[in-house]
Amino acid sequence: DGGITQSPKYLFRKEGQNVTLSCEQNLNHDAMYWYRQDPGQGLRLIYYSQIVNDFQKGDIAEGYSVSREKKESFPLTVTSAQKNPTAFYLCASRSTGVGTEAFFGQGTRLTVV
Amino acid sequence: KQEVTQIPAALSVPEGENLVLNCSFTDSAIYNLQWFRQDPGKGLTSLLLIQSSQREQTSGRLNASLDKSSGRSTLYIAASQPGDSATYLCAVSLYGNKLVFGAGTILRVKS
Repeated sequence: DGGITQSPKYLFRKEGQNVTLSCEQNLNHDAMYWYRQDPGQGLRLIYYSQIVNDFQKGDIAEGYSVSREKKESFPLTVTSAQKNPTAFYLCASRSTGVGTEAFFGQGTRLTVV
Repeated sequence: KQEVTQIPAALSVPEGENLVLNCSFTDSAIYNLQWFRQDPGKGLTSLLLIQSSQREQTSGRLNASLDKSSGRSTLYIAASQPGDSATYLCAVSLYGNKLVFGAGTILRVKS
């Protein structure tokens, strides 16, 4: 089945620790995105990538890092510099070009312990 | 900066009622608008995609309209069912492939 797979579904981070969230897609999409969702709020863009080996900061990139070494994969690292990382993280992809539809993974819930 | 607002923030209706969810955006320079559904603890499921040149799209009991010049979209749900209970989000697609989301409307359909 074609789609976007995020793993793990739940992740626990200790203070001062870096953690990496996985996002893999087999839709052959060029563009991939990472969003953060907090309770009662909409999705806020962390990073996005329109092509392999290229990515841009979104609105809340501080404390996060990404890589795009393969078209299928766009991992997100939550670093110790992110002071409030507890949230629901969503990955999305879409074809580049005007007016294409975006598809989302099932999300990763990150909790600081 | 593009801002997307959804009204109401929450809505509770009896089963069978027709309802309208609203989405407004501040900059009309969009490529398309997409409506999503999100169940608790889950990812987003795409419901309807309206291109900037279109006025509306329909899928089953759902109908979405777009008035780009006034910066508004509505999602109409006919004959609501308890299974429609979820959060509904709208997002606009901007130049550079960015998607900007509203905060969502939490819908509860009571049986």
